[in-house]
Amino acid sequence: DTEVTQTPKHLVMGMTNKKSLKCEQHMGHRAMYWYKQKAKKPPELMFVYSYEKLSINESVPSRFSPECPNSSLLNLHLHALQPEDSALYLCASSQEPGHPRDEQYFGPGTRLTVT
Amino acid sequence: AQSVAQPEDQVNVAEGNPLTVKCTYSVSGNPYLFWYVQYPNRGLQFLLKYITGDNLVKGSYGFEAEFNKSQTSFHLKKPSALVSDSALYFCAVRDGGTGANNLFFGTGTRLTVIP
Repeated sequence: DTEVTQTPKHLVMGMTNKKSLKCEQHMGHRAMYWYKQKAKKPPELMFVYSYEKLSINESVPSRFSPECPNSSLLNLHLHALQPEDSALYLCASSQEPGHPRDEQYFGPGTRLTVT
Repeated sequence: AQSVAQPEDQVNVAEGNPLTVKCTYSVSGNPYLFWYVQYPNRGLQFLLKYITGDNLVKGSYGFEAEFNKSQTSFHLKKPSALVSDSALYFCAVRDGGTGANNLFFGTGTRLTVIP
């Protein structure tokens, strides 16, 4: 099973809402990532989790709050977002943290629209 | 510092013709290079990678890429293009000397295969 799943596929939320994005993988990968991708742009790294601990936060605003409840799950909690946060949010995983040879496996993404 | 350049925003090729999507990179250590493809409203799919060894790397769906150290390039190629190859292609690099998992993506090249 080389699949990373993400739910929901689409999400529309108001600026005062609280919502969460979910990501799951069952490949035994110990590194998990959140990326943000705007239209026609490359993915931008937001967070990296290594062995369920946050290892990289790319200066992401606090209205985005990641969580890794266990080695298979990664959440992104959203609160008080701005319209410019509308984007495709991608989750990815790779086998071992600190192994730069490993490719990352991406989920299909959650298309987020903030109104 | 690491960086990747994809000099062409758009590449058009006739079905059955060979295709090339260009990528150049800059890293301070040994480069680990990756190609990903993204279909509309989907996540990124891993195509191939260069870590070490043979300069010609073969990947999924008949794609291959040639690593050229002197030209710091890693161009993606396919001998005979299919209409279904039409998608957005991203080159990415990691600096093998840092041990970090961060992937740096190029800006992407949209490939259109014309029937």
